[in-house]
Amino acid sequence: DAEITQSPRHKITETGRQVTLACHQTWNHNNMFWYRQDLGHGLRLIHYSYGVQDTNKGEVSDGYSVSRSNTEDLPLTLESAASSQTSVYFCASSITQGNVQFFGPGTRLTVL
Amino acid sequence: GQQLNQSPQSMFIQEGEDVSMNCTSSSIFNTWLWYKQDPGEGPVLLIALYKAGELTSNGRLTAQFGITRKDSFLNISASIPSDVGIYFCAGPDYGGSQGNLIFGKGTKLSVKP
Repeated sequence: DAEITQSPRHKITETGRQVTLACHQTWNHNNMFWYRQDLGHGLRLIHYSYGVQDTNKGEVSDGYSVSRSNTEDLPLTLESAASSQTSVYFCASSITQGNVQFFGPGTRLTVL
Repeated sequence: GQQLNQSPQSMFIQEGEDVSMNCTSSSIFNTWLWYKQDPGEGPVLLIALYKAGELTSNGRLTAQFGITRKDSFLNISASIPSDVGIYFCAGPDYGGSQGNLIFGKGTKLSVKP
């Protein structure tokens, strides 16, 4: 069955380290998204991509980057992790823009 | 920018009770989506609505696309313990990139102590 996976599911890192969170989908969706979820803020969009080589900044993109070298993967990189980036991160994909997005299981990141 | 306001923010349910929640916006939407998030998991789509006035059911869940196109409602009948979680409404981000969704902050359902 087609699916969307994230790895790792849990990560603890130190301030200043570079961290990469993986997102892989097997639906062949062109559109992929990264969100962070924090208490009181709901889901906030970090970066998104509408296709290979396309990347765009979302609402809270500072300190994060993404790259899209193929349809299946959109890795999220924290260039220099900060404690404020402690959060739960969700990847999502969609077949149609502005329509249903399918979410991965999430990565819980703790920055000490 | 666009915002989706969900009400209530949280509620307690007792098994067997009916539950109602809503999502409102100052802007018109052409699509309303309802998701549920279980603890430790990603949001899962419950119901998608595409037409004003549309009423759609998924088991014990019923959602409606408001006539004004500025609101949507989700009802759960005869709640059971596994209904606990966070319910999100979402719609296309017309104020930003229309390829994206904006989400309400969620309604958290918990079991009455």
